[in-house]
This record gives sequence, C-alpha cells and structure tokens, in this order.
Amino acid sequence: EVQLVESGGGLVQSGGSLRLSCSASGFTFSSYAMHWVRQAPGKGLEYVSTLSSNGVKTYYADSVKGRFTVSRDNSKNTLYLQMSSLRPEDTAVYYCVKEMGIAGFDYWGQGTLVTVSS
Amino acid sequence: QTVVTQEPSLTVSPGGTVTLTCASSTGAVTSTYYPNWFQQKPGQAPRPLIYSTSNKHSWTPARFSGSLLGGKAALTLSGVQPEDEADYYCLIYYGGGRVFGGGTKVTVL
Repeated sequence: EVQLVESGGGLVQSGGSLRLSCSASGFTFSSYAMHWVRQAPGKGLEYVSTLSSNGVKTYYADSVKGRFTVSRDNSKNTLYLQMSSLRPEDTAVYYCVKEMGIAGFDYWGQGTLVTVSS
Repeated sequence: QTVVTQEPSLTVSPGGTVTLTCASSTGAVTSTYYPNWFQQKPGQAPRPLIYSTSNKHSWTPARFSGSLLGGKAALTLSGVQPEDEADYYCLIYYGGGRVFGGGTKVTVL
C-alpha cells in the first residue's frame, strides 16, 4: 500500500524558515518524480514544486521560486521542501504527491499545515 | 503567468449529467498537456479521478469520464450521485511544471 506521510509543519514568523519532510512507503521511491502541492485555507490547490526521480531536475511555481528548495534522499525514501523567507501568503496545507509518470499524479499524503504569522 | 480557468460552480440534479471544463490561457488544451482531474471533499486530501485526458484510475467510478472538448479539457459526470458533491480541480502540464485550475464546486440538488 502506497503511503505518503508529511511532517514538519507548524507556526513560523514571517521571514522565517521551515523544512517539510515526506516519508514514502509501498513503492520504489527512487523510480518516481515527486511533487509538493499546497492549499491555503478555504482556497484552491496550488502547484508548488517537482523533483525528478534522480533528484536532478527541479521545477517551481513562480510564487516560491528562489525561496523554496525541493530535495530528496532516495536511501531514506524521503522528500523534503526547504522553505525560507516565508510570507503570510505561504500559509497552507502542504501535500506531498507521487507522480505516475508524465501522465499525472496518483497518490497524495494527508498534508501538513504551515502557518506564517505576520 | 499561465492561468487555468474552470467554472466556479455548477449545480446538477441527482441522476443528471454535468460537464466541467478546463481552459488554458496559452491556447487550446491538447493531449500533450496531460490534463488530470481531482475530486476534493471538505477536510480531505484530493482524490485523483482522471489522468492523461481520459484515463481512469483503478478506483475511479465509471460515471466519471474525461475528454477534450472545444479546445478545453473536460470532465463529465453521468448519473450523478449525492456523494459526487465536491470541489473538482484540473491540472495541466506545461513542460515540467504544472498549473491547477481554480476549481469547480459541484452541488447536487
């Protein structure tokens, strides 16, 4: 059974930093690209970032480019999102998502809440 | 900045049919944009329904179908059930990055 478990969320002040983790199990983690998606309270889904299976290719939404860094440790089956220079508008539930190849996303974690106070 | 547009809300009667669409500010949506559709209910993580335009996941009910319609990606719900009331999001692939649509709230009434 595929499982994605996010952790590391919490309350942080504006300008601060936070690192999210996503622990994966139930599939060959090193074979799949992974993504981060967020959802602000009461708002829609927003794509954040993608990391290729080998950790070489990265993509970021314009809203986080230069402030967020995605990485992975395939030996630990873990995806990370390092967030810095956080802003109140980064307040959201952050989801870790598995890619099923270029065709799309299949499995989602339950999310971790990040709250940025001003 | 690329914008993906969906209807904000739609209402459908139980047993009826409704079609949601997903348009790209860059032009017509084609199969090379690999449109995906997700369903989200309050307090839950999104649930994937459709990938690569029209392919269903193993858990996707048969009443959901995806297609391309008039230059847009489309999700059709046929024989709507009360439990289909939810928010629906499309996702478009843009050469590496992705963009979500703003979501459509489907009310079953």
